[in-house]
Amino acid sequence: NAGVMQNPRHLVRRRGQEARLRCSPMKGHSHVYWYRQLPEEGLKFMVYLQKENIIDESGMPKERFSAEFPKEGPSILRIQQVVRGDSAAYFCASSPGLAYNEQFFGPGTRLTVL
Amino acid sequence: KNEVEQSPQNLTAQEGEFITINCSYSVGISALHWLQQHPGGGIVSLFMLSSGKKKHGRLIATINIQEKHSSLHITASHPRDSAVYICARTLFGNEKLTFGTGTRLTIIP
Repeated sequence: NAGVMQNPRHLVRRRGQEARLRCSPMKGHSHVYWYRQLPEEGLKFMVYLQKENIIDESGMPKERFSAEFPKEGPSILRIQQVVRGDSAAYFCASSPGLAYNEQFFGPGTRLTVL
Repeated sequence: KNEVEQSPQNLTAQEGEFITINCSYSVGISALHWLQQHPGGGIVSLFMLSSGKKKHGRLIATINIQEKHSSLHITASHPRDSAVYICARTLFGNEKLTFGTGTRLTIIP
């Protein structure tokens, strides 16, 4: 049973470009969470999704950021018109969706905006 | 004030020492999580607990619900335990994690 997969592991973008980060949850997991870790800072929640639904996006910036988790395929975190302040490590985690279940983390995508 | 507070922020100890990292939180929780982030950045879930105590190898996690406090203990510490240890909480009805600021642990041989 493969773990949570994220790709790419490293992504370099120039200011103004788009970044697409992908997360494939563990088999059987229907809940996905995206977290961001800015340089030298702690982890912060961004968005919580179930298949085809956004459950909680309270941690996601209102502009330029969007997330989806389609019926088929990975969850996508999309950042439009990236700025230098978007440079961070983006982690996704998945869980089976039952209450009080452990979250399993992917290896992260390290985004660098030049 | 952070919703999840950890102490100490940094901890350096000699190999073999008993390590304690503390975590306190401000509201009732559904579960308290302890995570380990390696120098390479990967995050591993160590424990999820809502009461009592759990043990895995040399790691022990305890929680006191009344006092809203949890501790992570490492017995017979080893240099490979060097990492950032993060506590996080989830609330009833929403399983997103709210994280403490982390404790950077360095074990010296």
